Amino acid sequence: GAVVSQHPSWVICKSGTSVKIECRSLDFQATTMFWYRQFPKQSLMLMATSNEGSKATYEQGVEKDKFLINHASLTLSTLTVTSAHPEDSSFYICSATVGSPSYEQYFGPGTRLTVT
Amino acid sequence: AQSVAQPEDQVNVAEGNPLTVKCTYSVSGNPYLFWYVQYPNRGLQFLLKYITGDNLVKGSYGFEAEFNKSQTSFHLKKPSALVSDSALYFCAVRVGAGSYQLTFGKGTKLSVIP
Repeated sequence: GAVVSQHPSWVICKSGTSVKIECRSLDFQATTMFWYRQFPKQSLMLMATSNEGSKATYEQGVEKDKFLINHASLTLSTLTVTSAHPEDSSFYICSATVGSPSYEQYFGPGTRLTVT
Repeated sequence: AQSVAQPEDQVNVAEGNPLTVKCTYSVSGNPYLFWYVQYPNRGLQFLLKYITGDNLVKGSYGFEAEFNKSQTSFHLKKPSALVSDSALYFCAVRVGAGSYQLTFGKGTKLSVIP
């Protein structure tokens, strides 16, 4: 149980285009979803927290107009990287939580984004 | 503010030997602590957590962790390491009461040598 999927697993796009990444909780309803960015050999950097039906809460320094997050249902959140640039190339990971009393987050497999 | 420290960037251990990956934390209030493992180009997998109760927590794949309040530590341990345990390990702490957000340590790369 508690499986989170991400699609696509990897994507290559040209500079200036937009890319959408989907995060789905397959067998549970997620009260909250999170989006992380991970650079090589580094820890996860939280980008935003997303609750179904409400606006995402972005971490300081994360451009909300560039990284659009939509949380349309309790099982789906999407991250759209708009007008992507090479510096946006990274590994993007989503997670979902079932909430109290567990609190652990269940992570998707990640999406490798390369912007050329 | 909550924080997690993993003092070792890398830990090397021979196969069959016990392993320890260290984690110390700083929180206000009761700590909710977690260990995750990440294999190359993959997301994180949940190993175990401490919320309350016994200080020794048992988790997946034979891993366990000991919560030590006086030393503010939550070290990950396994009695006998396997080559397949080689991966990146992250310790995390819940940000605050009522929050589902986690703060992660920088990660420790574990290499189990055959």
